[in-house]
Amino acid sequence: DTAVSQTPKYLVTQMGNDKSIKCEQNLGHDTMYWYKQDSKKFLKIMFSYNNKELIINETVPNRFSPKSPDKAHLNLHINSLELGDSAVYFCASSPVGTSDPDTQYFGPGTRLTVL
Amino acid sequence: DQQVKQNSPSLSVQEGRISILNCDYTNSMFDYFLWYKKYPAEGPTFLISISSIKDKNEDGRFTVFLNKSAKHLSLHIVPSQPGDSAVYFCAARGTGGSYIPTFGRGTSLIVHP
Repeated sequence: DTAVSQTPKYLVTQMGNDKSIKCEQNLGHDTMYWYKQDSKKFLKIMFSYNNKELIINETVPNRFSPKSPDKAHLNLHINSLELGDSAVYFCASSPVGTSDPDTQYFGPGTRLTVL
Repeated sequence: DQQVKQNSPSLSVQEGRISILNCDYTNSMFDYFLWYKKYPAEGPTFLISISSIKDKNEDGRFTVFLNKSAKHLSLHIVPSQPGDSAVYFCAARGTGGSYIPTFGRGTSLIVHP
């Protein structure tokens, strides 16, 4: 009964490869996010989707392409992986439009290592 | 340009004592503040929040204090327990349509038995 799940948990790959990370939430939230936690530990927003539509894209290289097939899923595809993409990626969702729009529910994270 | 700063990367406290985690922000448009707690290999989980119209919010052992003039907030945990050992992220957001907060880099709290 995991609220926000991500797969895979760990991803090790070579530079130049293309990879995807999947995210699913069973909370019925309309809004989903991708965050990147880099080596300096800051959690930075990458994308926000509301009801399958892109709301926010925060200066992320276009090698990163989010896809939301339905409002319960937000996948992240990364092309031509670079060393600097190594980080932990967190998916999150929130009940925007309710009485508690600010609380974000995070997935467990995907640790991506690019060699 | 760090708009939310947690200047102490770590804090060590004895069980039963008070833990005080500090957070400073620079953006005067921030009006809602949150604390998240993160255990290793897990995502952050919401802990407590405070609106700028208040200066204190309490939830059990956790109290958040906000000093708007100093652009400073703090999280107090009393009494601290070993299970509180985690990384604590301070986050803040401004008014407007987006509810996306800006996070600090976290403070690692270790509570010794």
